[in-house]
Amino acid sequence: DVKVTQSSRYLVKRTGEKVFLECVQDMDHENMFWYRQDPGLGLRLIYFSYDVKMKEKGDIPEGYSVSREKKERFSLILESASTNQTSMYLCASRRRPGRRTTIYNEQFFGPGTRLTVL
Amino acid sequence: DAKTTQPPSMDCAEGRAANLPCNHSTISGNEYVYWYRQIHSQGPQYIIHGLKNNETNEMASLIITEDRKSSTLILPHATLRDTAVYYCILQTGTASKLTFGTGTRLQVTL
Repeated sequence: DVKVTQSSRYLVKRTGEKVFLECVQDMDHENMFWYRQDPGLGLRLIYFSYDVKMKEKGDIPEGYSVSREKKERFSLILESASTNQTSMYLCASRRRPGRRTTIYNEQFFGPGTRLTVL
Repeated sequence: DAKTTQPPSMDCAEGRAANLPCNHSTISGNEYVYWYRQIHSQGPQYIIHGLKNNETNEMASLIITEDRKSSTLILPHATLRDTAVYYCILQTGTASKLTFGTGTRLQVTL
């Protein structure tokens, strides 16, 4: 059974702390994504990674950075957490588009990390 | 600038078919229709996708109108575990991000 796991389901941090959110996938997927989900705003892309050591900014990268040193792991870093970063954070992965597959462009999501910044 | 329109909520009795509509009148020729769902406190889950032909898998069926301006997701025998928010999304084959709207909250009842 394919799986995307995230390091924590719930996390509480204080303003100014450095926060690491970890995501691991076991499907050998090239692409990985970090989203945040807020009521009324839907899912918004923070960063994505095409492959190891490659990253691209999404729609809302400010205040975040990412690291992809190994294919299976994609980390989201909040350099100095702020209260407006309180949110549900979702990691996803997928095969690189273009390969022969019957599941075209499907993204597999982790369970999410609900982060509260006090 | 919503590309898809879905009703905010629907109810369905357990064991009956749930038909969830989606309007996408400005769909481009290279855009697929994808459906995901999100059960409370979980990450979104892929259900099905299609380009112009109807599709069926073990979870659901997808009916796309001939002009591709609307589609319907069908859960043939809804169960309580199908209670979730269902998202209809348009996406090209190589697009990176998923843009979720507000979706349809399906409540399956006894």
